[in-house]
Amino acid sequence: GAGVSQSPSNKVTEKGKDVELRCDPISGHTALYWYRQSLGQGLEFLIYFQGNSAPDKSGLPSDRFSAERTGGSVSTLTIQRTQQEDSAVYLCASSLEVNTEVFFGQGTRLTVV
Amino acid sequence: AQSVTQLDSQVPVFEEAPVELRCNYSSSVSVYLFWYVQYPNQGLQLLLKYLSGSTLVKGINGFEAEFNKSQTSFHLRKPSVHISDTAEYFCAVSEDFNKFYFGSGTKLNVKP
Repeated sequence: GAGVSQSPSNKVTEKGKDVELRCDPISGHTALYWYRQSLGQGLEFLIYFQGNSAPDKSGLPSDRFSAERTGGSVSTLTIQRTQQEDSAVYLCASSLEVNTEVFFGQGTRLTVV
Repeated sequence: AQSVTQLDSQVPVFEEAPVELRCNYSSSVSVYLFWYVQYPNQGLQLLLKYLSGSTLVKGINGFEAEFNKSQTSFHLRKPSVHISDTAEYFCAVSEDFNKFYFGSGTKLNVKP
């Protein structure tokens, strides 16, 4: 596609349920990022994938959060046993390679009730 | 870890007036600096970036920013704003393009 695509755009889930958020980066982009934007706060780095290298998971807030990137393209962010504090907009971004412009998707708004 | 401070959470301004959105960062090493804009119900768009060279950087839509190393600042300016500039603006820094550290954002509200 023309841009970074994320699905779903909105997700409401019950506390304790697992959720999966999907990101389709721009075709050919080797770098993929996940960020979280909580209400009234800036973007918080979660995880970074670059090519076939081991991902940088240093931003994941707990072991309930995990992400994978299959075939170097699509990425899935999984949150297990969701909590209310997980409510936020989850943004995915990609770039052609390191040191090039980063393009953001429109995000998935997650609400845990 | 880097720290980015956007001192103003909201900036109201009248149309055609000048505006400055402030950004300060904490770093003792060289960094790359960015401003992103997020229009209502849209994703983040890159407004401008500083990688090296001239400290005055010009971006899209008439915005510019000046990198001041001694003050660790990267303030965003526009001499005359339009209604269409109403959006949230985020300052970001990165040492290596692997991680970006964002400020909490400044909501620019341009009034007619």
